[in-house]
Amino acid sequence: AQKITQTQPGMFVQEKEAVTLDCTYDTSDPSYGLFWYKQPSSGEMIFLIYQGSYDQQNATEGRYSLNFQKARKSANLVISASQLGDSAMYFCAMREENYGGATNKLIFGTGTLLAVQP
Amino acid sequence: ETGVTQSPTHLIKTRGQQVTLRCSSQSGHNTVSWYQQALGQGPQFIFQYYREEENGRGNFPPRFSGLQFPNYSSELNVNALELDDSALYLCASSFVLAGQETQYFGPGTRLLVL
Repeated sequence: AQKITQTQPGMFVQEKEAVTLDCTYDTSDPSYGLFWYKQPSSGEMIFLIYQGSYDQQNATEGRYSLNFQKARKSANLVISASQLGDSAMYFCAMREENYGGATNKLIFGTGTLLAVQP
Repeated sequence: ETGVTQSPTHLIKTRGQQVTLRCSSQSGHNTVSWYQQALGQGPQFIFQYYREEENGRGNFPPRFSGLQFPNYSSELNVNALELDDSALYLCASSFVLAGQETQYFGPGTRLLVL
C-alpha cells in the first residue's frame, strides 16, 4: 500500500537559515509523483514543488528544492534562507501516475509544523 | 491565488442534517478532487470527478456524494451528518494531460457538526 511518512511533527529554524523537512514514501509502482504543499493557518494548501519518479535531476523552485533519493525512497524538502512567512504546516504527498486517464488521488503525510524564529 | 474558490468558508450543522459544499475550479480544469482534513491530520481523499463523472473514490461511505458541472463548478454532499464529519473540506482542481498535472487547492470549508 502506498504510504507517506513525515517523522518530524515540528521544526524550529532561525530566520535566513536553511531547513530540511523529511519525507519517506512507500509504493510498489514504478511511476509516481511526489509533491510538497504548504498550509498556512488559513487552511489553503499551496503547491510548492513536484518531482517525478523518472526525473533525473532534483526539482527546484526558487528557495525550495527537493532532495530526491529514489533508492532510499525519500523526498526531503529543503527551504533555503528561511523567512518569517515560511512558518506553516508542510505536507508531503504522493500520486501514482496514470497516463491516458484521469488523475489519481494524492496520499498525504501527517505534516511538519515549521516555525521560523527571528 | 490558485483560482479555486470554495463556499461557504465556515458551516455549523447538527447530527443527522445534510450539507452541500461548493467549489469553483480554474477555467479549463477537467478534474476536481475532494479531500477531508481532520484536525491535526493530513488530507484524506474522498473522491474525484473527471469530465462530470466520478472516477476514483477513497474509503468514504455512500452518504458522501458529489457532482461536477460543465461550468467547472462542483459540489460535495454529505447526508446524515455525524460528529466525526467535522473537518476542513478541500477541493482541488487540475487539468489532466497524459497524467501529468498539479492539483490546485481552494481555501477549504470548515464544517462543524454538533
